[in-house]
Amino acid sequence: GENVEQHPSTLSVQEGDSAVIKCTYSDSASNYFPWYKQELGKGPQLIIDIRSNVGEKKDQRIAVTLNKTAKHFSLHITETQPEDSAVYFCAASRGGGFKTIFGAGTRLFVKA
Amino acid sequence: KAGVTQTPRYLIKTRGQQVTLSCSPISGHRSVSWYQQTPGQGLQFLFEYFSETQRNKGNFPGRFSGRQFSNSRSEMNVSTLELGDSALYLCASSLSSATNEKLFFGSGTQLSVL
Repeated sequence: GENVEQHPSTLSVQEGDSAVIKCTYSDSASNYFPWYKQELGKGPQLIIDIRSNVGEKKDQRIAVTLNKTAKHFSLHITETQPEDSAVYFCAASRGGGFKTIFGAGTRLFVKA
Repeated sequence: KAGVTQTPRYLIKTRGQQVTLSCSPISGHRSVSWYQQTPGQGLQFLFEYFSETQRNKGNFPGRFSGRQFSNSRSEMNVSTLELGDSALYLCASSLSSATNEKLFFGSGTQLSVL
């Protein structure tokens, strides 16, 4: 079946450093790629998304890049802060919950 | 605008019992999806409802069922609970199930089966 591979599973960085999380998808029909942040005791929160007709999108300290040819997309967080510590999920979607496949998640630790 | 509301937040049940979880989507959203989240399996799709109709179902046994009401609120039911059903159950709403629609998640119901 279709799947999304996410790496690394755990990432530890020093406050102020950058963090990069990478995902690869298999369904070539996927055209929407959201990223979610999940803090302890909470549900996943959408932090940024990108559509297949765009190669890069930035929102303050967060950016996402998409390479459709390689079926690869990445999340970049610059100037990390302790409050960025959470689990991050990537997803590839063809629309709706059924057609949204999630990666396994990356646990990010930002050390003060 | 209020977010997705899930009740209850925590549930403790014993094997063999049944449980009903509730989800109220964001006002105006007509599509509701349910997911099971466990440390080992990540986010697994359960089912998706749109306008009171189940549109899709994931690979879960028939003990897992759901429904959606005319006000878009949704419930899911798990009968004959097993230990392996212990998980965080998440509900997500979206305007529709069309391409590029954003999913907004609730905080989930943490179910523990003893």
